[in-house]
Amino acid sequence: ETGVTQTPRHLVMGMTNKKSLKCEQHLGHNAMYWYKQSAKKPLELMFVYSLEERVENNSVPSRFSPECPNSSHLFLHLHTLQPEDSALYLCASSQDYLPDTQYFGPGTRLTVL
Amino acid sequence: GQQLNQSPQSMFIQEGEDVSMNCTSSSIFNTWLWYKQDPGEGPVLLIALYKAGELTSNGRLTAQFGITRKDSFLNISASIPSDVGIYFCAGQKTSGTYKYIFGTGTRLKVLA
Repeated sequence: ETGVTQTPRHLVMGMTNKKSLKCEQHLGHNAMYWYKQSAKKPLELMFVYSLEERVENNSVPSRFSPECPNSSHLFLHLHTLQPEDSALYLCASSQDYLPDTQYFGPGTRLTVL
Repeated sequence: GQQLNQSPQSMFIQEGEDVSMNCTSSSIFNTWLWYKQDPGEGPVLLIALYKAGELTSNGRLTAQFGITRKDSFLNISASIPSDVGIYFCAGQKTSGTYKYIFGTGTRLKVLA
């Protein structure tokens, strides 16, 4: 595997469920990101980790909980979500914050019923 | 909050035509980026621009960093069917940070 991978690619969950999204990067990067992409809205940065330390929590509700156990893996734990949380969740990684090293994963399409 | 306005929102063009799109802001940016997103995939960086007035090419794609530092332009020459997708601009006000602002995208459809 190369680049940035995300699992699952699609997820349907009820509002009372707990689920987790997984991201893995094979590029040796030291920064990882979670973005939310909703229809007809710009990409929204949710969380940033640098060297496994969280450096940004962009006013994201606590029902989204990130975890970065090492520099290659990033998780987004989900619980008691709302239907408006349905979106494409994109993971990305970069070396430092250099823009021309930022690679995105294919995303997880989340539907909250 | 801060927004980047992309124009046009969508466009249909004939194969072989040239395409132009732009991204504007009310604020000054130090870096401009252009991405393409195919259906079911994440965005892929096409071109990064770091200096006002800079003109950079990547194959049939050419992007420019506007002189005012408040806008950027992307041109695609001799479009082909695989150019279909959504093109996003992104701006960075402060170099060396992770803070990018993304546009809402231009959806391109190419008619063979």
